[in-house]
Amino acid sequence: DIQMTQSPSSLSASVGDRVTITCRASQSIYNYLNWYQQKPGKAPKFLIYAASSLQTGVPSRFSGSGSGTDFTLTISSLQPEDFATYYCQQTYSTPGTFGQGTKVEIK
Amino acid sequence: VQLVESGGGLVKPGGSLRLSCATSGFTFSNAWMSWVRQAPGKGLEWVGRIKSKTDGGTTDYAAPVKGRFTISRDDSKNTQSLQMNSLKTEDTAMYYCATDSKYGNKGYSYTLFDYWGQGALVTVSS
Repeated sequence: DIQMTQSPSSLSASVGDRVTITCRASQSIYNYLNWYQQKPGKAPKFLIYAASSLQTGVPSRFSGSGSGTDFTLTISSLQPEDFATYYCQQTYSTPGTFGQGTKVEIK
Repeated sequence: VQLVESGGGLVKPGGSLRLSCATSGFTFSNAWMSWVRQAPGKGLEWVGRIKSKTDGGTTDYAAPVKGRFTISRDDSKNTQSLQMNSLKTEDTAMYYCATDSKYGNKGYSYTLFDYWGQGALVTVSS
């Protein structure tokens, strides 16, 4: 199975900050990389696919980049509703493995 | 689009439980469907998927559940099910039903989970 490693595991940030989360794959996954957001007690919400393509309705302050083994999710100006846990997922091969998550907390 | 899981509960190790996912708002018969679980305080883990009948209706499973869990679908009822046998304490988790969709981008097809249910909690404990 392909292993996905996110960093950091958690971070504290203020409203308006620029936040970057990193996801690394154990082998090349080209750009078969999704990002999800999960708030406490809720189901995950799909944000980005193909490493950089935003799902319809996702605010433009979210962006994704990367290919091969290294990927990033960037929130350009953190908003109160963005405090959540973010997961990357590779879908290059089955099983579609997830990263362990990055919790974005209020500073 | 709505997905609603049911059937969760408390079961003893070695026991069985069946989860259902009732769907609406999309053409279920054309959809691939997956189950994803999340142990308390932990991350997401893909459990398995079932393809549409037009794509063969076959199933794939994650290694930890293969041989114990079975996914099925009833296109007449727009429902998929997860039969869980020989349950272990490590199967304790919230189980989510999700649409397993393919989005096209620059000539390539990408798999993603675009719609999710609210989850069904399964607790395996003596």
